[in-house]
Amino acid sequence: EAGVAQSPRYKIIEKRQSVAFWCNPISGHATLYWYQQILGQGPKLLIQFQNNGVVDDSQLPKDRFSAERLKGVDSTLKIQPAKLEDSAVYLCASSLGTGVYGYTFGSGTRLTVV
Amino acid sequence: QKEVEQNSGPLSVPEGAIASLNCTYSDRGSQSFFWYRQYSGKSPELIMSIYSNGDKEDGRFTAQLNKASQYVSLLIRDSQPSDSATYLCAVNMFRTNAGKSTFGDGTTLTVKP
Repeated sequence: EAGVAQSPRYKIIEKRQSVAFWCNPISGHATLYWYQQILGQGPKLLIQFQNNGVVDDSQLPKDRFSAERLKGVDSTLKIQPAKLEDSAVYLCASSLGTGVYGYTFGSGTRLTVV
Repeated sequence: QKEVEQNSGPLSVPEGAIASLNCTYSDRGSQSFFWYRQYSGKSPELIMSIYSNGDKEDGRFTAQLNKASQYVSLLIRDSQPSDSATYLCAVNMFRTNAGKSTFGDGTTLTVKP
């Protein structure tokens, strides 16, 4: 079974620039998550999709972050404009559903904002 | 108080010893509990899940759950240098997070040859 695909692996941008991350979940996984992991901390949820609908975006800084999941498959997370504190690893994960299922994570995108 | 708390570590054990990693959580209604292993520079990998009170064994790994004490632990027997990683505890909290996983900040384990 193919894993969760993410790109790019690394990105360096200047503050106030924009950046986009892409994720393709495991086939058949209806639930997709974007997490932010700052160095030394656990992953923090940004947004959850169920098929192509948003289930929870309460932790997403909507003034600068946006995300979409077209056709219930792959997803894009965008930051515009970026701030220094956005430097982190952005992890995409998918699961069969919520509640009793663990996650499969992609390789992540390490973002550095300078 | 954090929703999911782990020993800050780092934890260092000699090769062949038992490593014990602990986690407490705040939502008494939580139903699903997971342990992830994260090597430096890599993404988390699911290694154990547990849903009922008691022990669950998988090879050298044993997860223990005590819902009354709101406590979950991971034991690694016969620790190997390849077990050196950060271990993340994740809890699906229905009351506070609608069944999504809330992660602790992890405990870093070093197994010395």
